Amino acid sequence: GAGVSQSPSNKVTEKGKDVELRCDPISGHTALYWYRQSLGQGLEFLIYFQGNSAPDKSGLPSDRFSAERTGGSVSTLTIQRTQQEDSAVYLCASSLAGVAYNEQFFGPGTRLTVL
Amino acid sequence: GQQVMQIPQYQHVQEGEDFTTYCNSSTTLSNIQWYKQRPGGHPVFLIQLVKSGEVKKQKRLTFQFGEAKKNSSLHITATQTTDVGTYFCAGPRDSSYKLIFGSGTRLLVRP
Repeated sequence: GAGVSQSPSNKVTEKGKDVELRCDPISGHTALYWYRQSLGQGLEFLIYFQGNSAPDKSGLPSDRFSAERTGGSVSTLTIQRTQQEDSAVYLCASSLAGVAYNEQFFGPGTRLTVL
Repeated sequence: GQQVMQIPQYQHVQEGEDFTTYCNSSTTLSNIQWYKQRPGGHPVFLIQLVKSGEVKKQKRLTFQFGEAKKNSSLHITATQTTDVGTYFCAGPRDSSYKLIFGSGTRLLVRP
């Protein structure tokens, strides 16, 4: 079946602009995660959605970052007034349920470059 | 706060040599997962270990979970160029759904 998909694959934007990144999780997966990976670095947790529960936003680095998940499926990560330090690969992952025993399936990521 | 550390950060080996990466947590983990990320790719799940002292093998890869469930290792026997990539361990944060990823070990293999 289809895996996790993300769009766009690459995004170049100017400092101060807003960007939206999209994630389509695997059908039937109730848990959805967003991570940020800077060049050569590990994965930084941003936000987590589980079903219809309130999202865990504890990893969002500033109030310029927000995310929503519509209908328990597609998710959008929005970065307002982008800064150069926002440049990174943004990875989305989904899993069957929001428990740490479930493997996470990652999408290909969106590479964001802020000029 | 809870931390997951990996060493080495980077290793360059000759094809055919063995390779080991170590993962250490500041707290006891209920389970540990290992992921591989090929250059330019995304992390892909390899395996999960749950039991104290557990050892699992996948062909040339051997995974171990420490007796105290605070450390883990991945050993690759006779590396091949297809093993190139970054290997991450990940453990649940405070027994929750969130995974803390280690910083990863980047493996390069000389043909």
